[in-house]
Amino acid sequence: NAGVMQNPRHLVRRRGQEARLRCSPMKGHSHVYWYRQLPEEGLKFMVYLQKENIIDESGMPKERFSAEFPKEGPSILRIQQVVRGDSAAYFCASSVQGGKLFFGSGTQLSVL
Amino acid sequence: KQEVTQIPAALSVPEGENLVLNCSFTDSAIYNLQWFRQDPGKGLTSLLLIQSSQREQTSGRLNASLDKSSGRSTLYIAASQPGDSATYLCAVQVRGAGGTSYGKLTFGQGTILTVHP
Repeated sequence: NAGVMQNPRHLVRRRGQEARLRCSPMKGHSHVYWYRQLPEEGLKFMVYLQKENIIDESGMPKERFSAEFPKEGPSILRIQQVVRGDSAAYFCASSVQGGKLFFGSGTQLSVL
Repeated sequence: KQEVTQIPAALSVPEGENLVLNCSFTDSAIYNLQWFRQDPGKGLTSLLLIQSSQREQTSGRLNASLDKSSGRSTLYIAASQPGDSATYLCAVQVRGAGGTSYGKLTFGQGTILTVHP
């Protein structure tokens, strides 16, 4: 039973490009969470999704960031027109309803 | 707004020492509290999870306690080893609708632990 899979592990983008981060939850998990870890800061909640629904996006920046978790396929965190301040480690976690969270290994985004 | 604070920010100890990491949180209405380990460039590994109704959890050389009323938790590591070197994160999970858990965790800044031979 594979764990939470995130790809790519490392992503390099130039300012103004788009970044797409993918997360495949553990088998049987229908709840996905995205967290961001900025340099010298702790992990911060971004968004909570269930299949085809955004439940809580209170931690998402108002512009340029979006997330989806379609009926089929992985969850996608999309960052448009990236800026240097978006450089961070982005972690995905998954769970069953009311269950413990399991985290992926993260995607390190570097914006040049 | 829930805030989680961890002290110390960094700790360096010789191998074999017993040590205590501290975590405090401002809102006692939590569902559970977890301690994680994070190794450089890697994800998070859950070490111990304490439900709000529990006082402590133990796993091997690790023991975590929870005092919800005072908003404190401690992680005790016995007989530390160089392999314990990592960042230790404390996170609280809020209670959702109907008393169920809601996977929105609030993390502390972490304690960077170095155990030297």
